[in-house]
Amino acid sequence: AQKITQTQPGMFVQEKEAVTLDCTYDTSDQSYGLFWYKQPSSGEMIFLIYQGSYDEQNATEGRYSLNFQKARKSANLVISASQLGDSAMYFCAMRERKTSYDKVIFGPGTSLSVIP
Amino acid sequence: NAGVTQTPKFQVLKTGQSMTLQCAQDMNHNSMYWYRQDPGMGLRLIYYSASEGTTDKGEVPNGYNVSRLNKREFSLRLESAAPSQTSVYFCASSERLVRGYQETQYFGPGTRLLVL
Repeated sequence: AQKITQTQPGMFVQEKEAVTLDCTYDTSDQSYGLFWYKQPSSGEMIFLIYQGSYDEQNATEGRYSLNFQKARKSANLVISASQLGDSAMYFCAMRERKTSYDKVIFGPGTSLSVIP
Repeated sequence: NAGVTQTPKFQVLKTGQSMTLQCAQDMNHNSMYWYRQDPGMGLRLIYYSASEGTTDKGEVPNGYNVSRLNKREFSLRLESAAPSQTSVYFCASSERLVRGYQETQYFGPGTRLLVL
C-alpha cells in the first residue's frame, strides 16, 4: 500500500502567486516526521521544510509553509509569492521511527511550473 | 564542510559488470541511506544503515549489497549489473530524531548509472 500520495503530477502557477502542493500519508505510528524536498532540473535534492508529528504549530521556512492536518493525515506544502526559480519537482516524504532506525519513504512527486 | 559526497558522478557499465558506489558524509550523522530514482518516480529506498556496523534492507534491495565501513562511509555494490539497474542513485544521511528537535536529511549530488 502506498504510504505517501501526491495526487498532482503537474501544477502550473503564475509568478508571484501562491500555490499549494498536496500530500497525504498513511502511518500507524504516533511519532513520525514529514519532509518536503525540491528537485530542480539539475538533479540535486534540496531540503525545504520539516514537520514533526508532535509539533502543534505548522512549520514555516521563508516562503514555504506546511499545512499540517494530523487527523486528515495531510501535509500540504504552500509556496507563497512563486518565483521562476521555484519550477522543479517537489517530493513529500515521511520518516517513520522503527525500533532502532529511521525509515524515510518518498511520494511520487509533483512537477511545478511557474509561468512568467 | 562538504556535506554528503558521492563518487562517481556518472558511470556506464555492461551487463554483468560489477561496481561500487561510494558515499561519505562529514556531519557525524548516525543514519545513512541509499536510494534510487527512476524517471517519473520518487526515490525508493535500497538499503539503510541506522548506525555504524548495522545495515538493513529497504524497499528494493535485490541486486545490491552495502557496507557501512565506518561512521562516515556507506558504499553500495552492484555485483552483476543489469539494465534494470539503470537509474540515478542518491546517498543521504540524517541524524536520529529526538522529539521536538528539527530534523533534515541531507542528500549527495547523485550518481547517474547506465547499464547497457
